[in-house]
Amino acid sequence: DAGVTQSPTHLIKTRGQQVTLRCSPKSGHDTVSWYQQALGQGPQFIFQYYEEEERQRGNFPDRFSGHQFPNYSSELNVNALLLGDSALYLCASYGGTGGEQYFGPGTRLTVT
Amino acid sequence: AQTVTQSQPEMSVQEAETVTLSCTYDTSESNYYLFWYKQPPSRQMILVIRQEAYKQQNATENRFSVNFQKAAKSFSLKISDSQLGDTAMYFCAFMKHERTSYDKVIFGPGTSLSVIP
Repeated sequence: DAGVTQSPTHLIKTRGQQVTLRCSPKSGHDTVSWYQQALGQGPQFIFQYYEEEERQRGNFPDRFSGHQFPNYSSELNVNALLLGDSALYLCASYGGTGGEQYFGPGTRLTVT
Repeated sequence: AQTVTQSQPEMSVQEAETVTLSCTYDTSESNYYLFWYKQPPSRQMILVIRQEAYKQQNATENRFSVNFQKAAKSFSLKISDSQLGDTAMYFCAFMKHERTSYDKVIFGPGTSLSVIP
């Protein structure tokens, strides 16, 4: 059983560009959350998707948007990239009743 | 709003010794989960241990155990018989318990643990 997968592993973009990150949840999980983790800090919640809709959103600007597909996979889009968007982006999926979320390996985004 | 605080940015421990990582949190919720996550240099976030707030008994997972003090809003992690593979960043985290859905997870700033041979 594959866990949470993310692609790509690493990405280098230039300021002002747009980027799309992808996440496939663990089998059977229908809820996906995205987090941004700056170097040396704890992850910060971006948003959560359930049944193809954004259910919750953290304190991130509208440049950050997402999508969830019928197979529960998800995308995170960031427009007009800033240097400060450089971070590790983590996807997590939820399932069951124990409150546990499973994290993917992350996508390392570098904005130059 | 909930907050999670970890007052020890860095800690070190000798191999085979015991170490305790501290965490405090602030919430007005009565039903929630608390977690400790480990993030080694590979950056993969790994769940170490989970505690449900309504359970009085402290959670244990092999060499890892917690001291959950609900009234004091304290949730410390004890690692016994420390191993080199325990070297990692440790994050304390909080999640409100929802009956039919999952809430966001709020992470602390982390404690960098080094196990010394």
